[in-house]
Amino acid sequence: DQQVKQNSPSLSVQEGRISILNCDYTNSMFDYFLWYKKYPAEGPTFLISISSIKDKNEDGRFTVFLNKSAKHLSLHIVPSQPGDSAVYFCAASRTSSGSARQLTFGSGTQLTVLP
Amino acid sequence: NAGVTQTPKFRILKIGQSMTLQCTQDMNHNYMYWYRQDPGMGLKLIYYSVGAGITDKGEVPNGYNVSRSTTEDFPLRLELAAPSQTSVYFCAASGAGSYEQYFGPGTRLTVT
Repeated sequence: DQQVKQNSPSLSVQEGRISILNCDYTNSMFDYFLWYKKYPAEGPTFLISISSIKDKNEDGRFTVFLNKSAKHLSLHIVPSQPGDSAVYFCAASRTSSGSARQLTFGSGTQLTVLP
Repeated sequence: NAGVTQTPKFRILKIGQSMTLQCTQDMNHNYMYWYRQDPGMGLKLIYYSVGAGITDKGEVPNGYNVSRSTTEDFPLRLELAAPSQTSVYFCAASGAGSYEQYFGPGTRLTVT
Protein backbone atom coordinates (compact mmCIF):
# COMPACT_ATOMS: atom_id res chain seq x y z
CA ASP A 1 0.00 0.00 0.00
CA GLN A 2 1.71 3.16 -1.23
CA GLN A 3 1.10 5.94 1.26
CA VAL A 4 2.84 8.53 -0.92
CA LYS A 5 2.21 8.48 -4.65
CA GLN A 6 3.76 10.31 -7.54
CA ASN A 7 1.66 9.26 -10.49
CA SER A 8 3.77 10.86 -13.21
CA PRO A 9 7.02 8.96 -13.78
CA SER A 10 8.29 11.66 -16.11
CA LEU A 11 7.73 15.28 -17.12
CA SER A 12 9.31 17.34 -19.91
CA VAL A 13 9.23 21.12 -19.84
CA GLN A 14 10.72 23.83 -21.99
CA GLU A 15 13.41 26.00 -20.43
CA GLY A 16 11.92 29.14 -18.88
CA ARG A 17 8.46 27.62 -18.44
CA ILE A 18 6.88 26.37 -15.23
CA SER A 19 7.37 22.79 -14.01
CA ILE A 20 4.63 21.36 -11.80
CA LEU A 21 5.29 18.10 -9.99
CA ASN A 22 2.48 16.44 -8.10
CA CYS A 23 2.24 14.15 -5.09
CA ASP A 24 -0.68 12.51 -3.26
CA TYR A 25 -0.72 10.89 0.15
CA THR A 26 -3.15 8.74 2.10
CA ASN A 27 -1.95 8.81 5.73
CA SER A 28 -3.51 11.60 7.79
CA MET A 29 -0.76 11.20 10.41
CA PHE A 30 1.84 12.82 8.17
CA ASP A 31 2.74 16.21 9.63
CA TYR A 32 5.54 17.41 7.38
CA PHE A 33 6.31 17.12 3.69
CA LEU A 34 9.57 17.43 1.82
CA TRP A 35 10.83 17.45 -1.73
CA TYR A 36 14.18 15.93 -2.60
CA LYS A 37 16.12 16.20 -5.82
CA LYS A 38 18.34 13.40 -7.07
CA TYR A 39 20.96 13.37 -9.80
CA PRO A 40 22.25 10.05 -11.20
CA ALA A 41 24.84 8.29 -9.01
CA GLU A 42 24.25 10.74 -6.15
CA GLY A 43 22.19 10.67 -2.99
CA PRO A 44 18.98 12.69 -2.71
CA THR A 45 19.42 16.30 -1.64
CA PHE A 46 16.84 18.32 0.24
CA LEU A 47 15.05 20.96 -1.80
CA ILE A 48 12.10 22.44 0.08
CA SER A 49 9.60 21.46 2.75
CA ILE A 50 6.24 22.42 4.22
CA SER A 51 4.54 21.85 7.53
CA SER A 52 1.01 20.47 7.61
CA ILE A 53 -0.16 23.69 9.28
CA LYS A 54 0.75 25.74 6.20
CA ASP A 55 -0.52 25.70 2.64
CA LYS A 56 2.40 27.31 0.85
CA ASN A 57 6.15 27.66 1.20
CA GLU A 58 8.38 29.51 -1.22
CA ASP A 59 12.14 29.48 -1.68
CA GLY A 60 13.45 31.32 -4.72
CA ARG A 61 12.27 29.54 -7.87
CA PHE A 62 10.68 26.73 -5.86
CA THR A 63 7.24 26.80 -4.27
CA VAL A 64 5.46 23.95 -2.56
CA PHE A 65 1.68 23.97 -2.15
CA LEU A 66 -0.21 21.75 0.27
CA ASN A 67 -3.92 20.94 0.04
CA LYS A 68 -4.69 18.96 3.19
CA SER A 69 -8.33 18.30 2.39
CA ALA A 70 -7.31 16.69 -0.90
CA LYS A 71 -4.17 15.12 0.59
CA HIS A 72 -2.22 16.60 -2.29
CA LEU A 73 0.94 18.61 -2.63
CA SER A 74 2.73 20.07 -5.60
CA LEU A 75 6.13 21.55 -6.37
CA HIS A 76 6.31 24.48 -8.76
CA ILE A 77 9.59 25.45 -10.37
CA VAL A 78 9.61 28.71 -12.24
CA PRO A 79 11.41 29.47 -14.41
CA SER A 80 12.68 25.97 -15.15
CA GLN A 81 16.35 25.62 -16.04
CA PRO A 82 18.25 22.74 -17.71
CA GLY A 83 20.13 22.17 -14.44
CA ASP A 84 16.80 21.30 -12.81
CA SER A 85 16.70 18.08 -14.82
CA ALA A 86 16.72 15.36 -12.16
CA VAL A 87 14.45 12.91 -10.35
CA TYR A 88 12.24 14.63 -7.79
CA PHE A 89 10.99 12.68 -4.80
CA CYS A 90 8.11 13.70 -2.60
CA ALA A 91 8.47 12.53 1.02
CA ALA A 92 6.16 12.65 4.00
CA SER A 93 7.13 12.51 7.64
CA ARG A 94 5.60 11.50 10.92
CA THR A 95 7.25 11.45 14.30
CA SER A 96 8.12 7.94 15.43
CA SER A 97 9.75 6.56 18.56
CA GLY A 98 12.55 8.62 20.11
CA SER A 99 11.55 11.59 17.93
CA ALA A 100 13.19 10.07 14.84
CA ARG A 101 11.27 11.38 11.88
CA GLN A 102 10.69 8.55 9.46
CA LEU A 103 10.31 9.55 5.83
CA THR A 104 7.97 7.78 3.43
CA PHE A 105 8.95 8.43 -0.18
CA GLY A 106 7.04 8.51 -3.41
CA SER A 107 8.43 6.72 -6.46
CA GLY A 108 9.80 9.89 -8.04
CA THR A 109 9.25 11.98 -11.15
CA GLN A 110 11.99 12.41 -13.74
CA LEU A 111 11.97 16.07 -14.79
CA THR A 112 13.65 16.95 -18.07
CA VAL A 113 14.04 20.62 -18.89
CA LEU A 114 14.62 21.11 -22.60
CA PRO A 115 16.87 23.98 -23.72
CA ASN B 1 33.04 18.71 6.05
CA ALA B 2 32.24 15.47 4.23
CA GLY B 3 28.66 15.01 5.55
CA VAL B 4 27.60 11.39 5.07
CA THR B 5 30.02 8.98 3.44
CA GLN B 6 29.34 5.44 2.30
CA THR B 7 31.64 2.61 1.27
CA PRO B 8 31.88 0.77 -1.02
CA LYS B 9 30.33 2.56 -4.01
CA PHE B 10 29.71 -0.69 -5.86
CA ARG B 11 29.72 -4.36 -4.90
CA ILE B 12 28.79 -7.64 -6.52
CA LEU B 13 27.94 -10.52 -4.18
CA LYS B 14 27.19 -14.14 -4.80
CA ILE B 15 24.04 -15.64 -3.27
CA GLY B 16 24.67 -16.61 0.34
CA GLN B 17 27.66 -14.33 0.85
CA SER B 18 27.68 -11.68 3.55
CA MET B 19 28.93 -8.12 3.65
CA THR B 20 28.79 -4.91 5.62
CA LEU B 21 27.89 -1.57 4.07
CA GLN B 22 29.68 1.22 5.89
CA CYS B 23 28.17 4.61 6.72
CA THR B 24 29.90 7.46 8.56
CA GLN B 25 28.73 10.99 9.29
CA ASP B 26 30.73 13.92 10.61
CA MET B 27 27.81 16.22 11.45
CA ASN B 28 27.37 14.90 15.01
CA HIS B 29 23.74 14.05 14.23
CA ASN B 30 21.94 11.68 16.57
CA TYR B 31 19.61 10.13 14.04
CA MET B 32 20.77 7.85 11.25
CA TYR B 33 18.84 5.82 8.69
CA TRP B 34 19.31 3.13 6.07
CA TYR B 35 17.16 3.08 2.94
CA ARG B 36 17.08 0.94 -0.17
CA GLN B 37 15.91 2.10 -3.58
CA ASP B 38 14.77 -0.40 -6.17
CA PRO B 39 14.46 0.61 -9.85
CA GLY B 40 11.47 2.87 -10.46
CA MET B 41 10.59 2.91 -6.80
CA GLY B 42 10.95 5.31 -3.93
CA LEU B 43 13.32 4.85 -1.03
CA LYS B 44 12.20 2.40 1.63
CA LEU B 45 13.41 2.54 5.22
CA ILE B 46 15.31 -0.54 6.40
CA TYR B 47 16.53 0.45 9.87
CA TYR B 48 17.07 3.62 11.82
CA SER B 49 18.86 4.71 14.98
CA VAL B 50 18.12 7.54 17.41
CA GLY B 51 21.53 7.39 19.05
CA ALA B 52 24.45 5.17 19.97
CA GLY B 53 23.22 1.79 21.18
CA ILE B 54 19.62 2.32 20.00
CA THR B 55 18.27 0.91 16.74
CA ASP B 56 14.83 0.08 15.41
CA LYS B 57 13.25 -1.58 12.39
CA GLY B 58 11.85 0.33 9.47
CA GLU B 59 9.53 -0.83 6.72
CA VAL B 60 11.74 -3.55 5.16
CA PRO B 61 14.18 -4.93 7.80
CA ASN B 62 14.18 -8.63 6.86
CA GLY B 63 17.59 -9.94 5.82
CA TYR B 64 19.50 -7.04 7.39
CA ASN B 65 21.08 -6.15 10.70
CA VAL B 66 22.49 -2.91 12.07
CA SER B 67 24.50 -1.68 15.00
CA ARG B 68 25.29 1.76 16.35
CA SER B 69 28.26 1.76 18.69
CA THR B 70 29.24 5.40 18.03
CA THR B 71 27.44 8.57 16.96
CA GLU B 72 29.43 8.63 13.71
CA ASP B 73 29.02 5.09 12.38
CA PHE B 74 25.96 3.09 11.37
CA PRO B 75 26.93 -0.07 9.44
CA LEU B 76 24.37 -2.26 7.68
CA ARG B 77 25.01 -6.01 7.62
CA LEU B 78 23.71 -8.51 5.06
CA GLU B 79 24.22 -12.04 6.39
CA LEU B 80 22.96 -14.29 3.57
CA ALA B 81 22.72 -12.25 0.39
CA ALA B 82 19.74 -12.95 -1.87
CA PRO B 83 18.94 -11.64 -5.38
CA SER B 84 16.02 -9.68 -3.86
CA GLN B 85 18.61 -7.54 -2.04
CA THR B 86 19.95 -6.19 -5.33
CA SER B 87 19.36 -2.48 -4.88
CA VAL B 88 20.95 0.89 -4.22
CA TYR B 89 21.44 1.53 -0.53
CA PHE B 90 21.43 5.02 0.97
CA CYS B 91 22.46 6.06 4.44
CA ALA B 92 21.15 9.31 5.90
CA ALA B 93 21.54 11.39 9.04
CA SER B 94 19.46 14.09 10.70
CA GLY B 95 19.76 16.34 13.70
CA ALA B 96 17.50 16.35 16.73
CA GLY B 97 14.13 17.92 15.93
CA SER B 98 14.95 18.22 12.22
CA TYR B 99 12.85 16.77 9.45
CA GLU B 100 15.61 17.19 6.88
CA GLN B 101 17.77 14.15 6.31
CA TYR B 102 21.20 14.36 4.69
CA PHE B 103 22.00 11.47 2.40
CA GLY B 104 25.21 9.74 1.41
CA PRO B 105 26.03 8.98 -2.24
CA GLY B 106 24.77 5.40 -2.07
CA THR B 107 26.11 1.86 -2.52
CA ARG B 108 25.01 -0.08 -5.58
CA LEU B 109 24.76 -3.76 -4.66
CA THR B 110 24.17 -6.63 -7.08
CA VAL B 111 23.52 -10.15 -5.83
CA THR B 112 23.89 -12.90 -8.45
